[in-house]
Parts: sequence; C-alpha cells; structure tokens
Amino acid sequence: GEDVEQSLFLSVREGDSSVINCTYTDSSSTYLYWYKQEPGAGLQLLTYIFSNMDMKQDQRLTVLLNKKDKHLSLRIADTQTGDSAIYFCAVLMDSSYKLIFGSGTRLLVRP
Amino acid sequence: DGGITQSPKYLFRKEGQNVTLSCEQNLNHDAMYWYRQDPGQGLRLIYYSQIVNDFQKGDIAEGYSVSREKKESFPLTVTSAQKNPTAFYLCATLDGGRKYFGPGTRLTVT
Repeated sequence: GEDVEQSLFLSVREGDSSVINCTYTDSSSTYLYWYKQEPGAGLQLLTYIFSNMDMKQDQRLTVLLNKKDKHLSLRIADTQTGDSAIYFCAVLMDSSYKLIFGSGTRLLVRP
Repeated sequence: DGGITQSPKYLFRKEGQNVTLSCEQNLNHDAMYWYRQDPGQGLRLIYYSQIVNDFQKGDIAEGYSVSREKKESFPLTVTSAQKNPTAFYLCATLDGGRKYFGPGTRLTVT
C-alpha cells in the first residue's frame, strides 16, 4: 500500500535553516501537505503543493517537490524556537481521498 | 481548527463502556475523517466519509463505528471491542485540496 516516510528527528540552531524531508510511494497523488503539531494540540496546515508544481514559497516556508524521485521537502528559513514542533508530511490518494501521513519529524530549535 | 469543533477536549471512561466523540463543522465540506494518534506516532485513519449517509473504513476501523446523518456532523463511537482505546483522536474535513483538523479529543480509558 501507500507509504510515506520521514526522518524522526531534526535539531537546528536558532536562526539557521531547517530542512525536513519526506518520501512517498503513490505516484498518482495530486496534493501533498505539510502540517505542524505543537504539544497537546491538533494539526495545523502549514502549506500544500500541487503535484504539477516543483516549488512553492510562503514567507519563511519553501516546499520542494521532486515528483520523479517522489521526494518532498519543507525548508524553514531563519528557524525560531517557536518552530519547535512535530512536522507531518501527508499525501492525498486521489482514488479514495485518503490522506496518508508520515510518522512525523520532531524539530528541536536550540537557542 | 476554525470551523471544526471537537468536544470534549479530555474524556475519561471506564473499560467496557462505549463512548462517542463529537465532531461538528460549519465549513460546508463534504468529506470528513477520523484519525487516531498515539504518543510519539503519526496519524492512522479510522473512518472517513465523502458524503452524507456514506462512510468507509480506514486502516484501523475495528472497534469503532461512525455515522454521517448530517453534513455537519461525523460522530465516532469507540466501542468496548476496541482493545487499546486510549489515544488522541482527531477529526478533519477536506475542501478541494485542503484538509483541516479539529483541536482533538484526548480519550483515556482505565
């Protein structure tokens, strides 16, 4: 079945850029998402990208999509301590509208 | 968040009791979803509904039941058949390509 994989943990220094990576297997996916989850809270939609795009930028966030390699990344510029959270990559399966999540990457921002 | 309401935020039940988690939305979205999140893990799909009066099992539907009698509401019942019901439950809706989540209900069964 469909699989979405992420690295579990990333630690960066405040002010540096963070890059969170994700790989997926379903080549028919139309939408790919990044969500942020802070402790004890629900998921916040950060951004999403259509599969016909290579890049999307939204303020400090840059999403890169390599459809050939089925690789999605989220870059956070000038990472702040408030960015510390778990970041989930998710892929929408067009045939069933199921959203398949990765296991999440915990981002720790050190002062 | 925003137009998706889940209540209560925390719920405690005794083992062997059924419990129903509420999910209401005023976004006029057709598709609604229930996910379960366990500590340190990602989200797993329990049930989803693309339209009123229709729903499909997700990856971990055993021990759960849902109904979709109204567009605005998609309640989830955690039955006594669910072996490990303690978890964080998230409801979501889908609008075109955007999927929105409610704030979640943390269920603890003792």
